[in-house]
Amino acid sequence: TQLLEQSPQFLSIQEGENLTVYCNSSSVFSSLQWYRQEPGEGPVLLVTVVTGGEVKKLKRLTFQFGDARKDSSLHITAAQPGDTGLYLCAGDRGGYQKVTFGTGTKLQVIP
Amino acid sequence: DTGVSQDPRHKITKRGQNVTFRCDPISEHNRLYWYRQTLGQGPEFLTYFQNEAQLEKSRLLSDRFSAERPKGSFSTLEIQRTEQGDSAMYLCASSLVFGGGTDTQYFGPGTRLTVL
Repeated sequence: TQLLEQSPQFLSIQEGENLTVYCNSSSVFSSLQWYRQEPGEGPVLLVTVVTGGEVKKLKRLTFQFGDARKDSSLHITAAQPGDTGLYLCAGDRGGYQKVTFGTGTKLQVIP
Repeated sequence: DTGVSQDPRHKITKRGQNVTFRCDPISEHNRLYWYRQTLGQGPEFLTYFQNEAQLEKSRLLSDRFSAERPKGSFSTLEIQRTEQGDSAMYLCASSLVFGGGTDTQYFGPGTRLTVL
């Protein structure tokens, strides 16, 4: 059973367009992380969100944690080719429970 | 450099051979995770340690896989009698968790395994 579903699975857009990636679950998380991964490399941490309703911005990237801490979204404004990669969300349920990774969203930004 | 390191970065082996990978976590991180990842998919959990204790191992993991973290610092992942289906990227991540804190993981660059 996949606890974290990401959508869309694939996304191909033109440079300058906006996009939103969703990460949904029926479980409550104590925190949630977003990563970006390029081919042949390990995932790189973008942000951690902890509080329900929290919004964090990282340049053109806006991250939001759902009020009930079951879902999250990543919005990219004016996408650039450098944003191309695999975006992963990961949920932490706290204590000794292992972190769960989402199914991933593969983003391609065409110049 | 204080990031997570993995060695080797690439490994090509013949079916039936044993391979061992090493992960050096960020200094003083108490948790260490191993994942397997195939192209375009999210990381698949294999096992994790809190200090030197192995707290959980995936039920999907066969007995050919074993991991150790003897002194609570570096870790090794061994695959015995490799099969072509073991070909994948093996990722290591570490985190510092105490009290009710978050488990924010930092990843190494991965080891790409190819089984011929």
